[in-house]
Amino acid sequence: SQTIHQWPATLVQPVGSPLSLECTVEGTSNPNLYWYRQAAGRGLQLLFYSVGIGQISSEVPQNLSASRPQDRQFILSSKKLLLSDSGFYLCAWTYGTRVGAFFGQGTRLTVV
Amino acid sequence: AQSVAQPEDQVNVAEGNPLTVKCTYSVSGNPYLFWYVQYPNRGLQFLLKYITGDNLVKGSYGFEAEFNKSQTSFHLKKPSALVSDSALYFCAVRVTPEGKLIFGQGTELSVKP
Repeated sequence: SQTIHQWPATLVQPVGSPLSLECTVEGTSNPNLYWYRQAAGRGLQLLFYSVGIGQISSEVPQNLSASRPQDRQFILSSKKLLLSDSGFYLCAWTYGTRVGAFFGQGTRLTVV
Repeated sequence: AQSVAQPEDQVNVAEGNPLTVKCTYSVSGNPYLFWYVQYPNRGLQFLLKYITGDNLVKGSYGFEAEFNKSQTSFHLKKPSALVSDSALYFCAVRVTPEGKLIFGQGTELSVKP
């Protein structure tokens, strides 16, 4: 069966520090991968999505970047965190267009 | 632009009563629609989907959703609410051809005993 791993679960980082969040999927190949951010416990904002290795689409210009170095690995990064980067970050994967997405457990990022 | 809207920030229901959480969509072509539930500090869990076929879709935990093409709606329903149904509910639409999933702003469901 397919599983998705996202870590860490919580993270407290100072302003100006770098960020690296990692997400990996098991049990499938060539998934579509997504990073979402949820602010204030409500709406989900799509940040990046990827349909293949090295293929990244950015939805919102911001202080973050994403990379997909391997088929089932998706990384969210920042060189210098801002206070406004605080939030709940969710990784998700799917395949095809007729299937919904499966989510990781999320990372609660607090920038102080 | 393709989008999905949830007009209610919060829905309050008494346990045992029926519940409805509303969702409307705007897409070009045939819509692929989904409902998800989120418990505090957790990822989203898939409830049900509409791709094609019957307008009434049945999903997990006794939930169902009614697709209405003329009203461009996909409301989530349950005949008898449980306290444990209290959570944040998201409607989503799959945007083609990219396949990305766009979410509504979420509706907080509160079921009181």
